Amino acid sequence: DAKTTQPPSMDCAEGRAANLPCNHSTISGNEYVYWYRQIHSQGPQYIIHGLKNNETNEMASLIITEDRKSSTLILPHATLRDTAVYYCIVRIYGGSQGNLIFGKGTKLSVKP
Amino acid sequence: DVKVTQSSRYLVKRTGEKVFLECVQDMDHENMFWYRQDPGLGLRLIYFSYDVKMKEKGDIPEGYSVSREKKERFSLILESASTNQTSMYLCASTLALDGGAVDTQYFGPGTRLTVL
Repeated sequence: DAKTTQPPSMDCAEGRAANLPCNHSTISGNEYVYWYRQIHSQGPQYIIHGLKNNETNEMASLIITEDRKSSTLILPHATLRDTAVYYCIVRIYGGSQGNLIFGKGTKLSVKP
Repeated sequence: DVKVTQSSRYLVKRTGEKVFLECVQDMDHENMFWYRQDPGLGLRLIYFSYDVKMKEKGDIPEGYSVSREKKERFSLILESASTNQTSMYLCASTLALDGGAVDTQYFGPGTRLTVL
């Protein structure tokens, strides 16, 4: 079972920031938070990951609370092409050769 | 950018046929994976490979086999396709886990297989 909890759906206006929350209250000290997204009928796409510090890349920012029990993925200027299901995953860095366990994710709808 | 390609986006086969799904990655990744994705069940790992000619079973290997003759290519084989193998099949690859490499998995576009 997934070890994360996400809202099932969210809406966001085009051009505005999309903030996607994730709860992972049972995260252990050696587990990272990863975010992927899946656009309809395509394979999952890696977005970002982090351990305890906030992270930013060309796609998004990841804010992790100090107690690491929750995090927020921020898409700073959402576009229509960001409409997708977003998955928050916790896993050990390098642990297990596979088996990304995707939960139900959050379906983000970006509206004009 | 990492490119992971799969041989077909859509495939329709008949029960009992032998089915080959091909996956190719162009980033010299050591590890490659085959998943299937079904509504309500998420991604489930079928097989993975960490080197040429090496393979490991995932969670649901029954009815499948794999082949890794070249580093860039990982094939999934359905020996005798059945209707319960109708699914979206996803291939992924990642760098080796030593040397501090991030094990971010890069996915192909998927193959939607229908077995009639």
